[in-house]
Amino acid sequence: QVQLQESGPGLVKPSQTLSLICTVSGGSISSGIYYWSWIRQPAGKGLEWIGHIYASGSTSYNPSLKSRVVISVDTSKNQFSLKLNSVTAADTAVYYCATDRGYSEYCFQYWGRGTLVTVSS
Amino acid sequence: DIVMTQSPDSLAVSLGERATINCKSSQSVLYSSNNKNYLAWYQQKSGQPPKLLIYWASTRESGVPDRFSGSGSGTDFTLTISGLQAEDVAVYYCQQYYTTPYTFGQGTKLEIK
Repeated sequence: QVQLQESGPGLVKPSQTLSLICTVSGGSISSGIYYWSWIRQPAGKGLEWIGHIYASGSTSYNPSLKSRVVISVDTSKNQFSLKLNSVTAADTAVYYCATDRGYSEYCFQYWGRGTLVTVSS
Repeated sequence: DIVMTQSPDSLAVSLGERATINCKSSQSVLYSSNNKNYLAWYQQKSGQPPKLLIYWASTRESGVPDRFSGSGSGTDFTLTISGLQAEDVAVYYCQQYYTTPYTFGQGTKLEIK
């Protein structure tokens, strides 16, 4: 069973870059079975898909964030990462990494526990 | 973007009774070439990540109790919980995976009456 674990700073200053890493175990990013996603959830609110990456490095981003987001993959470390620049308080949220059921079934089967990122000076 | 709208926003049901949550998409999520609805349901308990319950609108994920069922097609979908149990208290979300950006409903909070 695939397991995911988010890591990164819990506090980011406004206008700076939020950087998170998701470490994958129990499965290989290189397998080419899954897409690897980032999803966020502001406190008490709903879920927003940020984007995903495939093992090849191919990405797709939510247009609402596309100008500020980069998702990359490091297959040697079995990790993928999120960078969100020019953050504001509106980017404060729990950030989840997740993966789908594989083979073009793009609902999210495996999730990390989530990490809270607060944007504040 | 496909907008997902759930109803109601909150729901209180007695133990053992049936809970019904609706989800409507702003455009069809039925893919004609395979006749599959690209619609999933999740359960999120307090302080936890969402858990996949149902995919393809009506297929239960492995290990999900059979009191959870999904139905619907095209733009209108329903999650039914038959015989509500205390551990079912959670927020429930629908999600379309027909096209990017993948989008979720706003959530329905289910409580015990």
